Amino acid sequence: QVQLEESGPGLMQPSETLSLTCTVSGFSLTSNGVGWVRQPLGKGLVWMGTIWAGGSTNYNSAVQSRLSISRDTSKSQVFLKMNSLQPEDTGTYYCARHGWPYYFDYWGQGVMVTVSS
Amino acid sequence: DIQLTQSPSSMSASLGDRVSLTCQSSQGIGNYLSWYQHKPGKPPKPMIYYATNLADGVPSRFSGSRSGSDYSLTISSLESEDTAIYYCLQYDEYPLTFGSGTKLEIK
Repeated sequence: QVQLEESGPGLMQPSETLSLTCTVSGFSLTSNGVGWVRQPLGKGLVWMGTIWAGGSTNYNSAVQSRLSISRDTSKSQVFLKMNSLQPEDTGTYYCARHGWPYYFDYWGQGVMVTVSS
Repeated sequence: DIQLTQSPSSMSASLGDRVSLTCQSSQGIGNYLSWYQHKPGKPPKPMIYYATNLADGVPSRFSGSRSGSDYSLTISSLESEDTAIYYCLQYDEYPLTFGSGTKLEIK
């Protein structure tokens, strides 16, 4: 069955670079895109970016200058890197699969990231 | 960016009530709209995709509809497990955008 699992550090310092990994199973990264969605503390859902089946990426302009999404298809992993972290980046980060037609049909459980000195 | 305006922002209803949540798009997005149910400590759960299609495993009391740029999620008979925040998402244009959510509670 389709599964996604996020992993990464729970506590970060301001100005550091966040690195998260989304490990998927039950499908191929060359068949479906995977996106990252975050929920800032106490707020709603925000799409951050997507890496598509062909390897191309699209980012939300609000974080584009700080964000990079990549993948290792052999390991079935998608990576998120975001630099210059600030306390307002605190929240839960989800990876999710794009199904057809492109909506998010499967989600990981999410990983909580706290940015604090 | 496409803005999705959800209304109401919160509501409470009784068990068995028919409930409709609305999501209005600032631009045309065709049917590229989906609905998600979000409960605390859980990931969002897809409920409706392509405006009117029921996602896998979703009870038939849920339905989606569209009238122009207005999209609705309807629960025909509210059950206690339906308490959650519901978000709409447009995936027609970048950036993908979510509505601000409707918090649904049981009276």
